[in-house]
Amino acid sequence: QSALTQPPSASGSPGQSVTISCTGTSSDVGGYNYVSWYQQYPGKAPKLLIYEVSKRPSGVPDRFSGSKSGNTASLTVSGLQAEDEADYYCSSYAVNNKYVFGTGTKVTVL
Amino acid sequence: QIQVVESGGGVVQPGRSLRLSCAAAGFIFSRSAMNWVRQAPGKGLEWVALISYDGSNKNHADSVKGRFTISRDNSKNTLSLQMDNLRADDTAVYYCASNTVGDWNLDYWGQGTLVTISS
Repeated sequence: QSALTQPPSASGSPGQSVTISCTGTSSDVGGYNYVSWYQQYPGKAPKLLIYEVSKRPSGVPDRFSGSKSGNTASLTVSGLQAEDEADYYCSSYAVNNKYVFGTGTKVTVL
Repeated sequence: QIQVVESGGGVVQPGRSLRLSCAAAGFIFSRSAMNWVRQAPGKGLEWVALISYDGSNKNHADSVKGRFTISRDNSKNTLSLQMDNLRADDTAVYYCASNTVGDWNLDYWGQGTLVTISS
């Protein structure tokens, strides 16, 4: 199972929005509504931001939103804040009961 | 308060074995699927293995199949990963992660335990 494709980097100024894409295939992203997104600070464990494409766990700000079209899922961070500077990973259910992660995107707040 | 704590990491020679453990608290462990995810130094996340809430279903990534085995003890709220025939490319931080809400997501993670394979 190949990793999902994410852009290596994304950036925006405080208050702006940034959108990260996550491209897979019909065997993972496109075939199931089980896309999740994770935020990871250096040296820390990942944190779940979005699950099942667009659902937010309790405590995650509504500045984070998820969507999907075809084989590509997206995470949008609105009203960018300095604390949003981190690595972001998507993940999806994949055929034969597996997870597949994205390649990761480093978000920089300018 | 939910806690997920991994242990058992260390430095091991290639070809040797190591067993990781994960202690969970604060959620109904026996009703939650559990996973191992790893991250090589400076690299991205890689899913390693999953086990269903009751241990009846297991799956392993192709990269570790036949060498690693996931297991759980619901009476002790613990998850394990037996790693045999270790290779240099198994060097990584290993995270234990639960799935307690919804399906096919990893909602609670431990802090990770570092496994280094080196001669």
